[in-house]
Order: sequence, then C-alpha cells, then structure tokens
Amino acid sequence: GESVGLHLPTLSVQEGDNSIINCAYSNSASDYFIWYKQESGKGPQFIIDIRSNMDKRQGQRVTVLLNKTVKHLSLQIAATQPGDSAVYFCAERDDKIIFGKGTRLHILP
Amino acid sequence: SAVISQKPSRDICQRGTSLTIQCQVDSQVTMMFWYRQQPGQSLTLIATANQGSEATYESGFVIDKFPISRPNLTFSTLTVSNMSPEDSSIYLCSVDDAFFGQGTRLTVV
Repeated sequence: GESVGLHLPTLSVQEGDNSIINCAYSNSASDYFIWYKQESGKGPQFIIDIRSNMDKRQGQRVTVLLNKTVKHLSLQIAATQPGDSAVYFCAERDDKIIFGKGTRLHILP
Repeated sequence: SAVISQKPSRDICQRGTSLTIQCQVDSQVTMMFWYRQQPGQSLTLIATANQGSEATYESGFVIDKFPISRPNLTFSTLTVSNMSPEDSSIYLCSVDDAFFGQGTRLTVV
C-alpha cells in the first residue's frame, strides 16, 4: 500500500548537551500528561508523567514542565546520550489518552 | 509494572483476509487498550477492552472491522478483518496508560 511520508519534526542535539522537546496540547480539561519514548521497532515506553495541579516534575535526567495557561508541555533531557535517540511523544488524558505527533531526537557525536 | 507480550510481531497478509493479534499481560488488569500507529505517525486509539463487556470503539473504528475479545483479565485479541493495504500499520496493545506491547507490524499486499 501507499506509505505516508514521515512528517515528525526532528531535533538534533550534540551528545552531552541538554535536549528540550516541546508539545502543545489541545484540551484544557486534560488532567494528566505523559511523555513516552519510542525506539525503532518497539512500543512506546513511559518516561515521566505530570498531573495538572503541578507545573514541574523531575525524574532521572528528565524534567517535565507544564504551562496550562498556554497549554504547553516540555520534556528536558539532561546530558543527552546516544541511547536517547528515539521518537518522543507527549500525550494528554481527559477520558482517554490522546497522543501528540511526536519529535524525532537525533544525537550528534 | 506490567509486562505485555504481543504476537505476532509482524505479518504480511493478503488483502481480503483477516489477522488476529494477541496480547497477554503478566498481571490482571481491568482495561486494555488497542492502538494503531500508521507509518511515521503517532498512535491513535482504536478501542478500549474491558473484561466481561463489549469493547468501546473510538470514532472511525467499528466492531465489524476490528472485533475485539477480552475473555479474562490478562488477555485480549484484536482482529483486523477483510484487510486492505490501508490497514498496513503497527498495532499495539496497552495497559494502565504506561505499558505497551512491542507492537504487531502488519503489511497488507
């Protein structure tokens, strides 16, 4: 069948630098947000989540920021490593999970 | 955490035929979710499967095309019926918004 061209935005980051991946969500009623990492040939992997009553949450090398005023979510990855190469999806939940379009992260040596 | 085994991992099928995808979870879960991921795109929820009741389908997906079984709390199947090349996608099952199977890469020829 016809294949759809890849249209994921791409972010290229030097190894060791910090990465910031941004996402805009659509539903102001969403109360829960998740970032996933999807490596080639695998299903999405949960990275970090945040509830709507928070604006920042930190994990191991990752931080999620939530700005409900402008409906914006970001994922910060500290000291980016080659193993961070993947597609990153944000997702929002109201009564179900809705995935964003995704960003492909390339790590430059 | 939950470990999800999904099979087959990939298949190439003739148009007009049907394929049943199996999803096994290593723990009992109330809700299981089936997603479709078209080439280079994000994930779209097909349906939510609760044990003991009919699956709930999202807009654009119907039971005749994607029948789902949920015979117990650890297992579900998704059938892609009367396939056409447009059904070529990755199909994934998920539990708890956080855990995904590896996906089934389906190519219809």
